[in-house]
Amino acid sequence: KAGVTQTPRYLIKTRGQQVTLSCSPISGHRSVSWYQQTPGQGLQFLFEYFSETQRNKGNFPGRFSGRQFSNSRSEMNVSTLELGDSALYLCASSGEQVQETQYFGPGTRLLVL
Amino acid sequence: AQSVTQPDIHITVSEGASLELRCNYSYGATPYLFWYVQSPGQGLQLLLKYFSGDTLVQGIKGFEAEFKRSQSSFNLRKPSVHWSDAAEYFCAQTGTASKLTFGTGTRLQVTL
Repeated sequence: KAGVTQTPRYLIKTRGQQVTLSCSPISGHRSVSWYQQTPGQGLQFLFEYFSETQRNKGNFPGRFSGRQFSNSRSEMNVSTLELGDSALYLCASSGEQVQETQYFGPGTRLLVL
Repeated sequence: AQSVTQPDIHITVSEGASLELRCNYSYGATPYLFWYVQSPGQGLQLLLKYFSGDTLVQGIKGFEAEFKRSQSSFNLRKPSVHWSDAAEYFCAQTGTASKLTFGTGTRLQVTL
């Protein structure tokens, strides 16, 4: 079974721009979660989507948004980028139950200049 | 609020030596506990997980972890470390929601 894939792997943007990151879950997984990893804040939960609905949300500003499609693929969008948004963005997929194991993709490294 | 503590930021061990990485969790009920490993520039790979049952769980790459409710701990162990084990290790938990709460990580350096 193919793992979680994320595109693009690397991205450079400037302040004020917006960015869209994509995540394809493991086949059969319907839940997709997003995490932000920075040296200062560590790994922080952004949100989780299940069956095209946001099931859980972390403590991030409204500039961070996401969506999920009927094939379980997910995108996250960050608008009005700030320097502090530079991070590794990780996507994880899991099965239907809430506490199921999450399997991570390789991440998208975003650099905001 | 849930929290996970990894007291050791950086650990150095010699190849062939044993390893123990510490993790303490904070959750009222029995949490779901995980250990993940991350190599530089990579995503997180699951090493092992504890949901219930036997408190000693076996994982991949020869790792094991022991759940101790009385100490709120879930320490990761390996009897003999290999140079390829050098990486960052994260302990994590979930409660009633699917959100993973991570510790700050322990960076493992292996000397030859």
